[in-house]
Amino acid sequence: DAGVTQSPTHLIKTRGQQVTLRCSPKSGHDTVSWYQQALGQGPQFIFQYYEEEERQRGNFPDRFSGHQFPNYSSELNVNALLLGDSALYLCASSLADRDTGELFFGEGSRLTVL
Amino acid sequence: LAKTTQPISMDSYEGQEVNITCSHNNIATNDYITWYQQFPSQGPRFIIQGYKTKVTNEVASLFIPADRKSSTLSLPRVSLSDTAVYYCLVGYYTGTASKLTFGTGTRLQVTL
Repeated sequence: DAGVTQSPTHLIKTRGQQVTLRCSPKSGHDTVSWYQQALGQGPQFIFQYYEEEERQRGNFPDRFSGHQFPNYSSELNVNALLLGDSALYLCASSLADRDTGELFFGEGSRLTVL
Repeated sequence: LAKTTQPISMDSYEGQEVNITCSHNNIATNDYITWYQQFPSQGPRFIIQGYKTKVTNEVASLFIPADRKSSTLSLPRVSLSDTAVYYCLVGYYTGTASKLTFGTGTRLQVTL
């Protein structure tokens, strides 16, 4: 049973560029959340998708957008990259109607912005 | 949302019991207390969750006093592989998917 998978694992971009990160949830899960983790900090909630709609959003600018597909997989898009966007981006999945606060995280996509 | 306070770092020797205490003075009536573990370059992993008194699983125990203003994660007989960052979270999970609020966590270093 595959867990949460993310791609790519590492990528390097330059300021002003755009990036798309991808996530496949754990089998049977229908909800995907995205978190940003800067070096030495805890993960920060970006947003959450359920039934192909954004359900909750953290304190992130509109440059951060996402999408959820009918197969529950998800993408995170970041436009106009800034140096401060360099971080580990984590995807987490859960099953909405059984949610108890136990999220399953992927290993993340490490983004470096030069 | 309840704010949590936990030690920045702790050191332990292999084989010892480690107790990490988390303070959450403003915890709400419906909030649960949840602990996650994170190894370098990996996503966090759920360890344990509780509401009151004591919860135990195959990995850890969670002690919550009656006033619920603090909690203690207990790791029995730690090994080198328990070296990680441990996060204490409080929140109410309503049956729709959760939004987790992480602090900076406690960095546990286990040595021989």
